[in-house]
Amino acid sequence: AQRVTQPEKLLSVFKGAPVELKCNYSYSGSPELFWYVQYSRQRLQLLLRHISRESIKGFTADLNKGETSFHLKKPFAQEEDSAMYYCALSALPYNTDKLIFGTGTRLQVFP
Amino acid sequence: DAGVIQSPRHEVTEMGQEVTLRCKPISGHNSLFWYRQTMMRGLELLIYFNNNVPIDDSGMPEDRFSAKMPNASFSTLKIQPSEPRDSAVYFCASSQKGQGSDEAFFGQGTRLTVV
Repeated sequence: AQRVTQPEKLLSVFKGAPVELKCNYSYSGSPELFWYVQYSRQRLQLLLRHISRESIKGFTADLNKGETSFHLKKPFAQEEDSAMYYCALSALPYNTDKLIFGTGTRLQVFP
Repeated sequence: DAGVIQSPRHEVTEMGQEVTLRCKPISGHNSLFWYRQTMMRGLELLIYFNNNVPIDDSGMPEDRFSAKMPNASFSTLKIQPSEPRDSAVYFCASSQKGQGSDEAFFGQGTRLTVV
């Protein structure tokens, strides 16, 4: 069965500290992984996807198939990064057949 | 395009009443998803459609929940009868399947409170 696990409900850091939001997945096939972000009073929106291998707002995420992980990292957190972050898995690459989300991690960045 | 449009934004209803949530996906998108967001469970996929056809409704909690997509530009999620434990934020999202860009675009959600 497909499953996404985000073990931390809340992560609090000070501005300038490194951030790592954990995500593990369970899927027997070849998944596509995403990170979505929901800022206060805004819509849930795509932050980045693993196939793009890009850095968005200083965030990066590397797919580790051996550990079935897709952790989101940023070396220096900013206050504006405070938001709810969801890791998501799509059943087939380039084909959003079934988009499954984890339970989310709330990131709080203190000044 | 105004994006995915959901209505109403807020709904307060009494236990036992029927509730209908509405969604207008982005024009041209062929996949539509309904999610429920709660503090405890995060974002749960309830059902998704492709080309107006329900593909997987295994996430629908029970028979009180039903969803329809009569055409490419409209979908409803109905709860009948509603119960207090249904209180949550319900999101609709749409995407264009199979076109390389598979980003899901979300509506602003409907906050449902059942008293």
